[in-house]
Amino acid sequence: GESVGLHLPTLSVQEGDNSIINCAYSNSASDYFIWYKQESGKGPQFIIDIRSNMDKRQGQRVTVLLNKTVKHLSLQIAATQPGDSAVYFCAVADSNYQLIWGAGTKLIIKP
Amino acid sequence: ETGVTQSPTHLIKTRGQQVTLRCSSQSGHNTVSWYQQALGQGPQFIFQYYREEENGRGNFPPRFSGLQFPNYSSELNVNALELDDSALYLCASSSAQLTPHGYTFGSGTRLTVV
Repeated sequence: GESVGLHLPTLSVQEGDNSIINCAYSNSASDYFIWYKQESGKGPQFIIDIRSNMDKRQGQRVTVLLNKTVKHLSLQIAATQPGDSAVYFCAVADSNYQLIWGAGTKLIIKP
Repeated sequence: ETGVTQSPTHLIKTRGQQVTLRCSSQSGHNTVSWYQQALGQGPQFIFQYYREEENGRGNFPPRFSGLQFPNYSSELNVNALELDDSALYLCASSSAQLTPHGYTFGSGTRLTVV
């Protein structure tokens, strides 16, 4: 079955710098990938998604990159702000569109 | 437009007891999914309900069961609680089956089993 892992449990970034959070998945047939943000005491919040027929997608201050060759997914946050402090999860939809989640990367913003 | 509401927010139970967690879905949503999130981990899919029927189940034993009501609210029941059941239980609603993009999550119920 599918497994999802993140490269770093914690990422510390200077305010104003760009943040890059990485994720790896195991199933080359995976088709749909999502990034979520979870703030303390709250449920996950959708950030951005991408399908396997794309290799890049941009949102407001966020970009998701998909490298199917090495089964790698990344989330880039431009000009990181204090409000970006949270745990970030990548999730992969299986064949039934149920989500398989990684363990999360905690993003810490240094002033 | 109201979001997803879960109750209670925190709960402490004793091993062997039973627990019921509740979820009110977002207005207009007919699908509810439940997830278990252990401390420091990503959520794990328990099951999904669509129009009052179970529609997909993760790798959880039968003592985890659920219901969806005509108003699309939902309950998660766990029997014979074990210490490892201690976790944050998340409910997510969406407007159709099989659409993770449209999930709205509640803030969860923190269950502690002692």
